[in-house]
Amino acid sequence: AQSVTQPDIHITVSEGASLELRCNYSYGATPYLFWYVQSPGQGLQLLLKYFSGDTLVQGIKGFEAEFKRSQSSFNLRKPSVHWSDAAEYFCAVGAMEYGNKLVFGAGTILRVKS
Amino acid sequence: DVKVTQSSRYLVKRTGEKVFLECVQDMDHENMFWYRQDPGLGLRLIYFSYDVKMKEKGDIPEGYSVSREKKERFSLILESASTNQTSMYLCASSPRPGQGYEQYFGPGTRLTVT
Repeated sequence: AQSVTQPDIHITVSEGASLELRCNYSYGATPYLFWYVQSPGQGLQLLLKYFSGDTLVQGIKGFEAEFKRSQSSFNLRKPSVHWSDAAEYFCAVGAMEYGNKLVFGAGTILRVKS
Repeated sequence: DVKVTQSSRYLVKRTGEKVFLECVQDMDHENMFWYRQDPGLGLRLIYFSYDVKMKEKGDIPEGYSVSREKKERFSLILESASTNQTSMYLCASSPRPGQGYEQYFGPGTRLTVT
């Protein structure tokens, strides 16, 4: 069965500092990987996705993520955080044999201090 | 842009009431999903549907049922609401496998059962 681990429940960074949110997955074959962002009281918005090909993927709002098969990781990065990035971030994994079902991590809450 | 709408943003119901949560998507997606979201637990799949009148149980179906009479609409039903069903409920849709695996989310319904 697939599983997703986001080791950090909360992260606090200063505005303008770089950010990395960790995501590890457990799955035998090549998974489909996603990062979503949720602002307070809102639904989830897709930031970026990885299906195949280039292991560094670019997303919206200046975010990028890198798929590392050897580490079973798909970490999300941003070079300079803005106060508006404060939100909860979810990593998710899917696979062809599971149809369109996704498994989500527990989420990481990002706080940005000025 | 894909749009997924949910009938209510906030709902307060009494224990034992029958509760209907409605979800509508406008992108002709085959797949629709209902999740509940609780702090520290991420998103947990309640039910999903891959076609009209078709449904499958997710990870936590107990106490819930669903209905999909039209392709664009997916309803979640709490037959007899209980306080432990107080939660945020999120609806999502996605195209058929092969056309994309990402899910698109509605804004959520925060349900309180008293």
